[in-house]
Amino acid sequence: DQQVKQNSPSLSVQEGRISILNCDYTNSMFDYFLWYKKYPAEGPTFLISISSIKDKNEDGRFTVFLNKSAKHLSLHIVPSQPGDSAVYFCAARNAGGTSYGKLTFGQGTILTVHP
Amino acid sequence: GAGVSQTPSNKVTEKGKYVELRCDPISGHTALYWYRQSLGQGPEFLIYFQGTGAADDSGLPNDRFFAVRPEGSVSTLKIQRTERGDSAVYLCASSLTVGDEQFFGPGTRLTVL
Repeated sequence: DQQVKQNSPSLSVQEGRISILNCDYTNSMFDYFLWYKKYPAEGPTFLISISSIKDKNEDGRFTVFLNKSAKHLSLHIVPSQPGDSAVYFCAARNAGGTSYGKLTFGQGTILTVHP
Repeated sequence: GAGVSQTPSNKVTEKGKYVELRCDPISGHTALYWYRQSLGQGPEFLIYFQGTGAADDSGLPNDRFFAVRPEGSVSTLKIQRTERGDSAVYLCASSLTVGDEQFFGPGTRLTVL
């Protein structure tokens, strides 16, 4: 049962253009969402997050949008740079209880930004 | 300061053997997490500790898997009677406390032949 889904295994964009990565979730108990970036042979690194009480969070070139009614979030990168090429994971966290610390990840999307 | 470190970086073992994977969290971080990442998948939660105690071990696949954190710092993930399906990258993360940003180590790549 995949509670967090990233349906696009890969995305290729031109440098300077916008990259849009999508993520869908099924568990209504999720209240906090995160995006992680991963380079080969390294662990994931935190990129940006959003609480369920917001619908948008922006940090420099990165913006995350949350549509709670559709259980959908997206990460926008603009302008895209070649150094952004990596695997991007969407993750979600439960509102509370013993599972509060647990992150549930999607399968990842490989982003390639061409010069 | 130093990040999360994991040893060994690579481990090759034979089916049926016992392995231990070690995680050194960021100093001062009270929460520690283990995840497993199979090829083409995202990290899958295994267990997390708050201090010395396992707060949630619901992700451990079966009783061949066990993790400890006896002094609230270093943690060891132990796998008994390894199977080929255990082959994956095992990731460790730590955070200042539960719910804070999780910082990941580079992982241990386990290969069971």
